[in-house]
Amino acid sequence: DTGVSQDPRHKITKRGQNVTFRCDPISEHNRLYWYRQTLGQGPEFLTYFQNEAQLEKSRLLSDRFSAERPKGSFSTLEIQRTEQGDSAMYLCASSPMRESSGNTIYFGEGSWLTVV
Amino acid sequence: AQTVTQSQPEMSVQEAETVTLSCTYDTSESDYYLFWYKQPPSRQMILVIRQEAYKQQNATENRFSVNFQKAAKSFSLKISDSQLGDAAMYFCAYRRHFIIQGAQKLVFGQGTRLTINP
Repeated sequence: DTGVSQDPRHKITKRGQNVTFRCDPISEHNRLYWYRQTLGQGPEFLTYFQNEAQLEKSRLLSDRFSAERPKGSFSTLEIQRTEQGDSAMYLCASSPMRESSGNTIYFGEGSWLTVV
Repeated sequence: AQTVTQSQPEMSVQEAETVTLSCTYDTSESDYYLFWYKQPPSRQMILVIRQEAYKQQNATENRFSVNFQKAAKSFSLKISDSQLGDAAMYFCAYRRHFIIQGAQKLVFGQGTRLTINP
């Protein structure tokens, strides 16, 4: 079990550019989540996948944000036309489907985005 | 909508002593899960302890235990015999029961930064 992997770990981009983050969940985890965390705050839910289906999206996820999980394995989060307010850490998490897991969600180390 | 409040932005404790972190939440539901997560400086969030709302018995995990007061909507974390490695941000989180629409997301509090003094 290698844990949830995120790439890149840090990204600095100019305002208006597009950025993409990748998340590789723990193998065999059907559920995948994206959260956003700003300094001094708790994470905020962005979106949730069950296999390849995106089942829930937060109102925080504006039209400039899009997430995919095409084959039900890794996921990407793309931010188009970045704004300074997008600067945050983007956390990916995964969990298994089976109830016996006790609903534990496992987090990655996050991808830091700085928009200058 | 459910909300989680952590009223202590920072706490400190002497090594080997006991500290309690507070958390309150607001919900109209009767069945849910509560969690404490730890986020060390390396930033990876790690589950510390979990409590199912239907269980009256307080959860314990080694040096970590909770005081779950369902009527008061309170969920505090007690860390006994504090160690230097316990220094981190601690987040309280709420999750609706899995059979309810929108049940998959965690709702986090603002966090409490815990410092361990040697």
